[in-house]
Amino acid sequence: KAGVTQTPRYLIKTRGQQVTLSCSPISGHRSVSWYQQTPGQGLQFLFEYFSETQRNKGNFPGRFSGRQFSNSRSEMNVSTLELGDSALYLCASNQNGGSSDEQFFGPGTRLTVL
Amino acid sequence: AQSVTQPDIHITVSEGASLELRCNYSYGATPYLFWYVQSPGQGLQLLLKYFSGDTLVQGIKGFEAEFKRSQSSFNLRKPSVHWSDAAEYFCAVAPMDSSYKLIFGSGTRLLVRP
Repeated sequence: KAGVTQTPRYLIKTRGQQVTLSCSPISGHRSVSWYQQTPGQGLQFLFEYFSETQRNKGNFPGRFSGRQFSNSRSEMNVSTLELGDSALYLCASNQNGGSSDEQFFGPGTRLTVL
Repeated sequence: AQSVTQPDIHITVSEGASLELRCNYSYGATPYLFWYVQSPGQGLQLLLKYFSGDTLVQGIKGFEAEFKRSQSSFNLRKPSVHWSDAAEYFCAVAPMDSSYKLIFGSGTRLLVRP
């Protein structure tokens, strides 16, 4: 089986722009989660989707949003980019959406905001 | 508040030496516990997990971890480190409150001396 794929792998944007990141989970996985990784704040939970429904959202401003499609693929969007949004954005999928299920992580999208 | 503490930011060991990475968590009930490893430019890979039962769990790549309820700890160990183990290691908890998220520690970067 192919692993979790994220596109693009690298992205450079300027302040005020918006960006959309894509995540394709492992085939058959129904849950997709997103995490932001920065040197200062570490790994922080953004949101989790299961069967197209957002079940939880982390403590991020409304500029961060996401969605999940019927094929379980997910996108996250960040509007009005700020310098502090520069980070590695990681997507993870798991099969059944349980808290104890193993999360499989993608390689991430490295976003740089200038 | 739920939190995960990894007190060691960096650890350097010689190849062939033993390794112990510390992790403490703060949570009302015993959560699900995980250790992940991240190599440069990669996503996170699950090393092992603990839910219940035997407090010593075996993982991949020769790693093991011991859960100690009295100390709220879940330390990762390896008897003999290989140069390829150089990476960043993250302890994580998944609360049992249906929040469907992982809470990560700040990570420990392992350097291996030849």
